[in-house]
Amino acid sequence: DADVTQTPRNRITKTGKRIMLECSQTKGHDRMYWYRQDPGLGLRLIYYSFDVKDINKGEISDGYSVSRQAQAKFSLSLESAIPNQTALYFCATSDLGGDTQYFGPGTRLTVL
Amino acid sequence: DQQVKQNSPSLSVQEGRISILNCDYTNSMFDYFLWYKKYPAEGPTFLISISSIKDKNEDGRFTVFLNKSAKHLSLHIVPSQPGDSAVYFCAARSYYGGSQGNLIFGKGTKLSVKP
Repeated sequence: DADVTQTPRNRITKTGKRIMLECSQTKGHDRMYWYRQDPGLGLRLIYYSFDVKDINKGEISDGYSVSRQAQAKFSLSLESAIPNQTALYFCATSDLGGDTQYFGPGTRLTVL
Repeated sequence: DQQVKQNSPSLSVQEGRISILNCDYTNSMFDYFLWYKKYPAEGPTFLISISSIKDKNEDGRFTVFLNKSAKHLSLHIVPSQPGDSAVYFCAARSYYGGSQGNLIFGKGTKLSVKP
């Protein structure tokens, strides 16, 4: 079984809809991250959480919100999706040392 | 302003030859560097890393070199195999300026290894 899972893997939605992407991990890591990948732009950090009570904005948090429901679960929400949020979204985890991050398989989101 | 730069979007190499992927950075406070490999429809996977106190780290066919004075690191793959064809991301870690040890990624280099 995968250590970091993401659901859904693919999602097509319409402008203005609320969308939630979910991430679960079995690695026992405290730190979790949400990234966005766009063609030619690499990976950009949206939000990160160092534990259940600690949520921090990343480089590109506008238009997104997150919830850390448990150590193992970290969800990303788009309250009102817009077409330029069409991208690949990755969840990642790391232990307290934070040396290495482990990524989920990604969610491909298309906003029409 | 891009702090981690991978200036070559793509690289094509013959099987068996050496692949050299390059990465430049601007922030001298970066203390740890990583390379990730990404296949289509999968998440990035950790490949190899190097601390800023070292200038070389080797793991099998993969070697990362760090030149701090030039703010440059490179990933060498020898010999290259078709299965190495993927996008490679360079990443750097910093605790400077409130970044709390988060990783900053380059834009990636797509490596194609031809049989």
